[in-house]
Formats: sequence, structure tokens, C-alpha cells
Amino acid sequence: DVKVTQSSRYLVKRTGEKVFLECVQDMDHENMFWYRQDPGLGLRLIYFSYDVKMKEKGDIPEGYSVSREKKERFSLILESASTNQTSMYLCASSLPGQSNTEAFFGQGTRLTVV
Amino acid sequence: DQQVKQNSPSLSVQEGRISILNCDYTNSMFDYFLWYKKYPAEGPTFLISISSIKDKNEDGRFTVFLNKSAKHLSLHIVPSQPGDSAVYFCAARLIQGAQKLVFGQGTRLTINP
Repeated sequence: DVKVTQSSRYLVKRTGEKVFLECVQDMDHENMFWYRQDPGLGLRLIYFSYDVKMKEKGDIPEGYSVSREKKERFSLILESASTNQTSMYLCASSLPGQSNTEAFFGQGTRLTVV
Repeated sequence: DQQVKQNSPSLSVQEGRISILNCDYTNSMFDYFLWYKKYPAEGPTFLISISSIKDKNEDGRFTVFLNKSAKHLSLHIVPSQPGDSAVYFCAARLIQGAQKLVFGQGTRLTINP
């Protein structure tokens, strides 16, 4: 079974803090993704990576950065947390290729910025 | 610009009846469409997918229909069970790049006993 593990289920941080969200997958997947989920907006892609040290912006990258130093680990960084970054953050991984359609998700991190 | 839309935020269905969840898309550069199910405080889990070259895919109680001319897909759940109560997300996979998924807003399905 594919396992995608996010380091924290719940986080509370102060405005202006630098926040690190960690994600690890154990199935040697090339692709990794960070989404945020907000009511009425669905899942929106923040950043993704298709290989070690490779990263691309998604639809809402402002205020975020990412790091992928190892294949199994993809970190999301909030450079200076703001209250509008309060959200559910979801990490996912997948294999590239035509027949590999499914992305596997972690359990999510509920971040509250106060 | 919302490329994948789920226009019904919520749906309530009686246990045993059919649940039909709908999804519309605007981009023709999708090669697969997927449905995910999400319980509160958990990550989404994959349910079923369909290739853009097919019009139907079935897996047990779940069937997905794709109407390419209308750019519309639907998920049918028959019969609906209480454990099906969750938020359902429609997603579409882009052909190019890292094949990222574009998600709809989600529909909260409630199955009433």
C-alpha cells in the first residue's frame, strides 16, 4: 500500500512565523504535489515537483516555497505566515506515465495562523 | 478560472437510492477524469477514473459516465449506503507536464437512513 505521511495533523502558528510542512512518501513516486483545501474552492494546487530538486508553480504559489532534496520528501514552506493561509494542506504523490492516473494523498495538515 | 466545476455544493439521498454527482469541465487538454472521496480530517481517497476516450467505467456500486461533447461527467452510486456520506471531488488530469490534477469545488453527499 502506498503511504503518504504528513508530519503534523494540526498546527497553530503566529502571523509572521516561518512554517514548514513536511511530506514523505514510501513508494518511490517521481511526482509530488501540495494542495490546499478551502470550503467552496475545492483543492487548489500550490506547487508540484516531478523530480528531485525540480519544482514548478501551481495555481496559487504566492507566499509559499517548496523544497525537494530527496525523492521521498517534499516540503512546503510558508515564508511569513498570514491569517489567509489558514487552511487544510494536502500532500500527494503519483507515478508519471499514461496509465498511472491516481494520485495518493496524505491525511492532511490543518494549519491555523493566529 | 475554474476549469473543473461541481455546481452542487450538497446533495441529500435516501439510503438504497441512487446518488448522482455531476461535474463540468472547460479544458479539452485532460486525458483522465477521476473521482475522490473525502471524510473530515482525512486526505482524499481515490474512487474511480475514466479515460477521455471512454464514455463509461464501472466498479461495483460506482459508475462514472463521460459526455465529451457536453464536457460533462457524472458519478452514480447505486445503492447508496450511509458510509457513502462524504465530500466528493471531481478531478481532471492534464495531458502535459507532470500530469497534475485539477479539482472541482466538491459536493457534500449525505445519505439519510
